[in-house]
Amino acid sequence: QKEVEQNSGPLSVPEGAIASLNCTYSDRGSQSFFWYRQYSGKSPELIMFIYSNGDKEDGRFTAQLNKASQYVSLLIRDSQPSDSATYLCAVGGGSQGNLIFGKGTKLSVKP
Amino acid sequence: EAQVTQNPRYLITVTGKKLTVTCSQNMNHEYMSWYRQDPGLGLRQIYYSMNVEVTDKGDVPEGYKVSRKEKRNFPLILESPSPNQTSLYFCASKQGARLDLRNTGELFFGEGSRLTVL
Repeated sequence: QKEVEQNSGPLSVPEGAIASLNCTYSDRGSQSFFWYRQYSGKSPELIMFIYSNGDKEDGRFTAQLNKASQYVSLLIRDSQPSDSATYLCAVGGGSQGNLIFGKGTKLSVKP
Repeated sequence: EAQVTQNPRYLITVTGKKLTVTCSQNMNHEYMSWYRQDPGLGLRQIYYSMNVEVTDKGDVPEGYKVSRKEKRNFPLILESPSPNQTSLYFCASKQGARLDLRNTGELFFGEGSRLTVL
């Protein structure tokens, strides 16, 4: 059974701080890694994807991938109240291309 | 506009009354999938399809059926709905498995269908 694990939170950070979200996965054959943001009652939206070991930066967001440790993380710098949402880690690839989602981490950014 | 369209968006029904939630995408995507989302349980995959006439069970397929007769459509069928199928349902699609410069593997979601079974 392929699994993706996330700390459910809630994770609370003050406005302007760095929020760090973590995700581990069980399938060593995974090739693609995604972070989705989901506001309550809304559909998930993609904010970052990463395929290679190391860091990938896009604005205030940085995704980090360590395939040896089967670990992927998302850093949000200068956190804003509008970043308050649930963040879903998704892992895919291998031979089938199906995506497996973690249960999500709820982030709360306090003004 | 590229989109995944689900209908109905909201539905209240009664136990045992068959219903179908439709899902259509206009992006010529090979892959489509259905999820249900319940508080504290995250997104759980019901069924997915890698292409026309190819479907496979996800984590929670019991009580659901799907079909993929055309590339653009992937309906979810509840033959005899029960109250434990009350949930928020999402349909999603993406390009086929091979990743390249044009295919990031991004999953596109519909707006969701909130189903209540009394």
